[in-house]
Amino acid sequence: GNSVTQMEGPVTLSEEAFLTINCTYTATGYPSLFWYVQYPGEGLQLLLKATKADDKGSNKGFEATYRKETTSFHLEKGSVQVSDSAVYFCALAQGGSEKLVFGKGTKLTVNP
Amino acid sequence: GAVVSQHPSWVICKSGTSVKIECRSLDFQATTMFWYRQFPKQSLMLMATSNEGSKATYEQGVEKDKFLINHASLTLSTLTVTSAHPEDSSFYICSAREGGASYNEQFFGPGTRLTVL
Repeated sequence: GNSVTQMEGPVTLSEEAFLTINCTYTATGYPSLFWYVQYPGEGLQLLLKATKADDKGSNKGFEATYRKETTSFHLEKGSVQVSDSAVYFCALAQGGSEKLVFGKGTKLTVNP
Repeated sequence: GAVVSQHPSWVICKSGTSVKIECRSLDFQATTMFWYRQFPKQSLMLMATSNEGSKATYEQGVEKDKFLINHASLTLSTLTVTSAHPEDSSFYICSAREGGASYNEQFFGPGTRLTVL
């Protein structure tokens, strides 16, 4: 079946550090890929998405590229801020399906 | 952006009682709502999908008689955990989606923490 594996947390960085959160997936066909972010006390919010191979999703300085050859969708940001502290979830939806399959989430803490 | 609320945000109940959790879309009409369950340090697991005015579709392994889902209006879905037991303790999250044939973004509620004693 479909699955998503993302790096174990927690991740602790200093402000302005470079961030990478790894995400790999297993799926048949060509899924859509997503990153969601959950700030403390709030619901998950869509951060970015990519719907086909080599697409790059980007938002708020975060980027992730859909790599079919490595079945990966790693999240990156060049310079993190304290306000980026949150839990980040990688997810996929099998082509055309509305059902999301999530990774376990990675908690990021950014210190000033 | 679209807002989804859940009530209560946390609840503690005795074993054998039933608990109802509400999920509301505050500024849009949610044709479809989803209920997820999250265990500590685990991913969100889809429990069921509900469409307004019809019966919910449950994922494999989810007991429909234990987790009753009602989606009676375009802004409200409820999840009732019947005869709750300690193993039902978990974090329950709902999401809502506006209508449309193609995939539309799901908007998530903040979750409800259920503890069964």
